[in-house]
Amino acid sequence: GDSVTQMEGPVTLSEEAFLTINCTYTATGYPSLFWYVQYPGEGLQLLLKATKADDKGSNKGFEATYRKETTSFHLEKGSVQVSDSAVYFCALSDAGGSYIPTFGRGTSLIVHP
Amino acid sequence: DAGVIQSPRHEVTEMGQEVTLRCKPISGHDYLFWYRQTMMRGLELLIYFNNNVPIDDSGMPEDRFSAKMPNASFSTLKIQPSEPRDSAVYFCASSLRSSYNSPLHFGNGTRLTVT
Repeated sequence: GDSVTQMEGPVTLSEEAFLTINCTYTATGYPSLFWYVQYPGEGLQLLLKATKADDKGSNKGFEATYRKETTSFHLEKGSVQVSDSAVYFCALSDAGGSYIPTFGRGTSLIVHP
Repeated sequence: DAGVIQSPRHEVTEMGQEVTLRCKPISGHDYLFWYRQTMMRGLELLIYFNNNVPIDDSGMPEDRFSAKMPNASFSTLKIQPSEPRDSAVYFCASSLRSSYNSPLHFGNGTRLTVT
């Protein structure tokens, strides 16, 4: 079946540091890949997505590239801010599967001033 | 677009009581999902509906849990009787499944505490 594996958190960084959160996946078909972000006390919201190999999704300074050869979709940001502190979820939706998204366990990011 | 609306935001109840969580999806969305989030288990899919019809309820933990969607703009998740281990944040999400890469839109959740 489909699965998503994320690095365990929390990830703790100082403001303006470089961020990478690793995500790898297994899928039966050709999935679309997503990053969602959950701020404290809120629901998940879409951060970015990519629908085919080598596509780069980007939003709010975050980027992730769909790497089919390594089945990865790592999230990066060049300079994090305190306001980026949140939980980040990698997810996939597989056209060859049930269409229902598969989520990773989430990675907590804490950014200190 | 008002987004997905859930109520109440917080619910505190005693063990054995009935709890009803409510959700209003985004207008026009044809899929509705109920999730539960805990530190131990992360995000779990409980049940989802397509065009108001339950499609897969295999994630519902036991018969104490039930969900309904009487129309396209309203869904409920009911727990009867509630137990302390049901304490969690419950999320409702909706999507327009024009294609498999349509994202989910989540509500802000209901934090349930069962004492």
